[in-house]
Amino acid sequence: ETAVFQTPNYHVTQVGNEVSFNCKQTLGHDTMYWYKQDSKKLLKIMFSYNNKQLIVNETVPRRFSPQSSDKAHLNLRIKSVEPEDSAVYLCASSLTGGENTLYFGAGTRLSVL
Amino acid sequence: TQTVSQSDAHVTVFEGDSVELRCNYSYGGSIYLSWYIQHHGRGLQFLLKYYSGNPVVQGVNGFKAEFSKSDSSFHLRKASVHWSDSAVYFCAVRGSMGYKLTFGTGTSLLVDP
Repeated sequence: ETAVFQTPNYHVTQVGNEVSFNCKQTLGHDTMYWYKQDSKKLLKIMFSYNNKQLIVNETVPRRFSPQSSDKAHLNLRIKSVEPEDSAVYLCASSLTGGENTLYFGAGTRLSVL
Repeated sequence: TQTVSQSDAHVTVFEGDSVELRCNYSYGGSIYLSWYIQHHGRGLQFLLKYYSGNPVVQGVNGFKAEFSKSDSSFHLRKASVHWSDSAVYFCAVRGSMGYKLTFGTGTSLLVDP
């Protein structure tokens, strides 16, 4: 049963354009994440928000910026995309605490031409 | 710093065979260990987790994993696989005081019918 919703499913764009991805969770969780999954399936955390506060900010290019309006939403904006940004972007949510399970959306596949 | 390694990139078995997917971790303190499954074109789904207590944990669909502190391992096993178990399996680790879940490189399991 899907409870983490990502839009769009796919996005094709050209180098230099701006893109935005949306993520919403209906689980009542207070922590949300963005992960990047490359063509080799490697997963890297990019950002994490807890109750709208940024708590994890890995070393990512400054053209990436997360945006959280409330604890159920975490969007990702990429200003001026580069070819290496082509990947699947996975949104996830969880309750606060190390033991808690992550629930993932289906992902947004970005192709930069 | 927490790290996790999955030594096998690809595993192929026949339906009905048993399988073991290997995971080793490195971390100096208390940790949460978990396994996730990703079917093609989908997001990750939680399988099982360990923090303390019985080192053998049962998950969904007949999967189980065994924690070993001496070997720094958390291998995933299933006694009899089905073709629908074909997917990529990720081992993950998080420190007890942290928010960041670090994933291994994944093991692609192919079950031949």
